[in-house]
Amino acid sequence: AQKVTQAQTEISVVEKEDVTLDCVYETRDTTYYLFWYKQPPSGELVFLIRRNSFDEQNEISGRYSWNFQKSTSSFNFTITASQVVDSAVYFCALSEARAPLVFGKGTRLSVIA
Amino acid sequence: KAGVTQTPRYLIKTRGQQVTLSCSPISGHRSVSWYQQTPGQGLQFLFEYFSETQRNKGNFPGRFSGRQFSNSRSEMNVSTLELGDSALYLCASSSTAGLRTGIIRDEQFFGPGTRLTVL
Repeated sequence: AQKVTQAQTEISVVEKEDVTLDCVYETRDTTYYLFWYKQPPSGELVFLIRRNSFDEQNEISGRYSWNFQKSTSSFNFTITASQVVDSAVYFCALSEARAPLVFGKGTRLSVIA
Repeated sequence: KAGVTQTPRYLIKTRGQQVTLSCSPISGHRSVSWYQQTPGQGLQFLFEYFSETQRNKGNFPGRFSGRQFSNSRSEMNVSTLELGDSALYLCASSSTAGLRTGIIRDEQFFGPGTRLTVL
């Protein structure tokens, strides 16, 4: 069965600090997909990234970077030089082929000016 | 390209009533999924439709139902509302390339949600 664990319920950082959000997943499939979504106070989930299980290459997009490690079943998300606008709830999600998304409980990030 | 739209944005109902929520996917997207978000249970999958057919169904009682129309718009219905149905209901659409092959899960784009309050 699929499972996603985001152990950090809430994180608070001061602006310009770096912050890493942890995501650990469980799956029995060899083909699966991992996602990160951002949910700002407005409520709409914003897609950030999708990785498939065959691509362990890390990715950087501006101040965002993702570290995918199959050996530890982790897909961590780092925000560099955090900004107040980064304050949101961040969700990690997993999908096995043909299966719907399974979300973690989310990590609420507060960036203080 | 317009995003996913959901109507209404807010809804207040009383126990025992029924409610219908609507979702219009991104143009060209033929897959629509519905999720329920509550503080206690988080984001939970309700159902997924593709070309008017239900592809997947989550673990929710039969009071929750949905359908998809030929233009890919989708509706979900909750009958005999209970207090515990109060939640943010999110709709997501995705492209169909992955669904044709059956081995790829494309990214889902979410709408703003409908916040349902049951009194």
